[in-house]
Amino acid sequence: KQEVTQIPAALSVPEGENLVLNCSFTDSAIYNLQWFRQDPGKGLTSLLLIQSSQREQTSGRLNASLDKSSGRSTLYIAASQPGDSATYLCALWMDSSYKLIFGSGTRLLVRP
Amino acid sequence: EAQVTQNPRYLITVTGKKLTVTCSQNMNHEYMSWYRQDPGLGLRQIYYSMNVEVTDKGDVPEGYKVSRKEKRNFPLILESPSPNQTSLYFCASSPILAGEKETQYFGPGTRLLVL
Repeated sequence: KQEVTQIPAALSVPEGENLVLNCSFTDSAIYNLQWFRQDPGKGLTSLLLIQSSQREQTSGRLNASLDKSSGRSTLYIAASQPGDSATYLCALWMDSSYKLIFGSGTRLLVRP
Repeated sequence: EAQVTQNPRYLITVTGKKLTVTCSQNMNHEYMSWYRQDPGLGLRQIYYSMNVEVTDKGDVPEGYKVSRKEKRNFPLILESPSPNQTSLYFCASSPILAGEKETQYFGPGTRLLVL
C-alpha cells in the first residue's frame, strides 16, 4: 500500500530564506505528483504538477523536483515571503488507480 | 469563473439525522471526488466518480453514499451521521482526458460537526 510522508510537519523561517519541503513515497509506480497549498480554513490550490517522466517543474519562485527511483519529491521555495505561510501538501496518482493519495502536509510559517 | 462549489459551508447536526452536502463544478470535468480532512490524518478519499453513473470507493467510504446523475453534480450523503464523521470535507474535480490524470480543482470545504 502506498504511503506518502512529508517532513518536516512544521517549519518556521525568517523572510527571505530559501527553503525545501520534502515528500517521500514508498511505491514508485506513480502516474504524476502534485504539490498543493492550503490556507487556513480554505480549500486547496494546485501549485505544480510533475508527470512521472519529468524531473522538475518551475513556476515563479517555486521549483518541484521528482526522483521516482528514490521515492522522493522536493518543493523548493526561493526568497520566501510572509505570504507563503500556509500548509503545503503533496499528492500523487498511482499508475494503477484513480485514487489520489495525499501526504499529511508541512505547515510553513515565514516570519517578517 | 471556473470553480467547484459546495453547500453548506458549515453544518451542525445530531447523530442519526440524514444530511446531504452538495458539490457542483462548471468545468465539464469527468472526474469528481470527495475527501475528508482530519488533524493528524491528512486528506483521505471517500468516494470518486469517473463519469455519470460511475462511482467507486476511496479509502474511507464507510457511512457515506454518493450519486452521479449529472456530470456537474456529485452530492455526498450521510444516511445516519455519527460523531466520528465530524470533519472538514472537500469536493474536487479533474479532467480525465483519454485516461490521463490531471490537476484536481478543489471546493472551499464543508465543516461538519455531528453532536
